Formats: sequence, structure tokens, C-alpha cells
Amino acid sequence: GAGVSQSPSNKVTEKGKDVELRCDPISGHTALYWYRQSLGQGLEFLIYFQGNSAPDKSGLPSDRFSAERTGGSVSTLTIQRTQQEDSAVYLCASSPDNSAGYTFGSGTRLTVV
Amino acid sequence: DQQVKQNSPSLSVQEGRISILNCDYTNSMFDYFLWYKKYPAEGPTFLISISSIKDKNEDGRFTVFLNKSAKHLSLHIVPSQPGDSAVYFCAASRGAGNTPLVFGKGTRLSVIA
Repeated sequence: GAGVSQSPSNKVTEKGKDVELRCDPISGHTALYWYRQSLGQGLEFLIYFQGNSAPDKSGLPSDRFSAERTGGSVSTLTIQRTQQEDSAVYLCASSPDNSAGYTFGSGTRLTVV
Repeated sequence: DQQVKQNSPSLSVQEGRISILNCDYTNSMFDYFLWYKKYPAEGPTFLISISSIKDKNEDGRFTVFLNKSAKHLSLHIVPSQPGDSAVYFCAASRGAGNTPLVFGKGTRLSVIA
């Protein structure tokens, strides 16, 4: 597709359940980022993939959060044993080499009840 | 510890007038700055950027000014249009290449017809 695609667009889950969020970046973009936006907050960096390099996981808030990127393309963000404070919009972005001007997807709104 | 601060959560401007959105940063290592615009239920879209070697960058109705000594940047929109109503995020990074951006909390701009 032409843009960054995220699925699902909305997810409601019970506290304690695991969730998986998917991101399809723009074809050919080597960098992929996950951010989240909690209510009233800015965008919080979570994790960054660049080509075949080891990901920068410095933004992951706890070990319940993990992400992988298969074949340098699709990425999955997994949150285990979800908590209410995990409720947020999770945004994925991709960019080609040497560009800080990311293209964002529309996000997944996660609600933990 | 917020490294990028947007102290005005909201701003209202009349159509045709100038909108000025402000952003302050604390990390002197930041040398690349961006503005993103976000409509409801959509991901942020890149608007304009500036490198620390410049103090001004202009693109149509949008101009970004950088004052390095004050660690302050601003986005000017002139003339403002109703379609400019959105949340504007300031972001900063170390370098213009692929690197995680640090975002402010955003300013909601309302342009009144």
C-alpha cells in the first residue's frame, strides 16, 4: 500500500490478557518505529528497528513489552499481561534511509478494561 | 523530565491571522527539529523541519524559526485557515538521520472562521 498500515484500528482487552499490534511499513523503508500516545501526553518512543541492526529498545516501559520485525518488513508489538495504564494509541512509523521525516500510520487505540 | 516542551495546550486564532506555536527544549545535543500536524483518528503528518545550522526555514504558509541560544523554536502559519485546525507536535532529535524523535505534548490549534 501507499502508507503505513496498522491493525487493528481499535482493540479492547481485559486486564491480564496479551495483545499483539501489527504494523505494515511503507515498502522499502528501512527504519520502523513504535510510539505510544497516552491521554494528554505527547508521543512516547518505544522501540526502533533499522535494517538488520539490533533494535533500540530503550523506550520500552517494562519487560511486558516486546516487538519484532520479520524480514525487515512487518512488525508486531506484543504487550503481555496488559494493565490499565497500557491504554493508549500505539503509533507505528517508517522512514527511508537518512530521513527523520517519518510517515506514521493511523494507530491502534488500545483500551484495557 | 520533559526534554521538549509545548507549554500552550491550546490556541485559538481567527481565520486569516497569524498562528504562532511555541516549543522549548532542554537538551543541547538536539540539532534537528520538526513539526508534525495531527488530525483526530489519524497519525501525525510531517509538516516542516529545521537543522540547527539554520535559524529559519519557510515552506509556503509555514515558517519555523529556531533560536538556539534560547533553546526555543516556533512555527508560524500565515494566513491561518480553518483546515489548519489540528494538534501540532514539536519534535527534536540528535541528527537528521534515522533516530528516535522526542516529542512535545502538542498544542491544539483552532482556526475560527
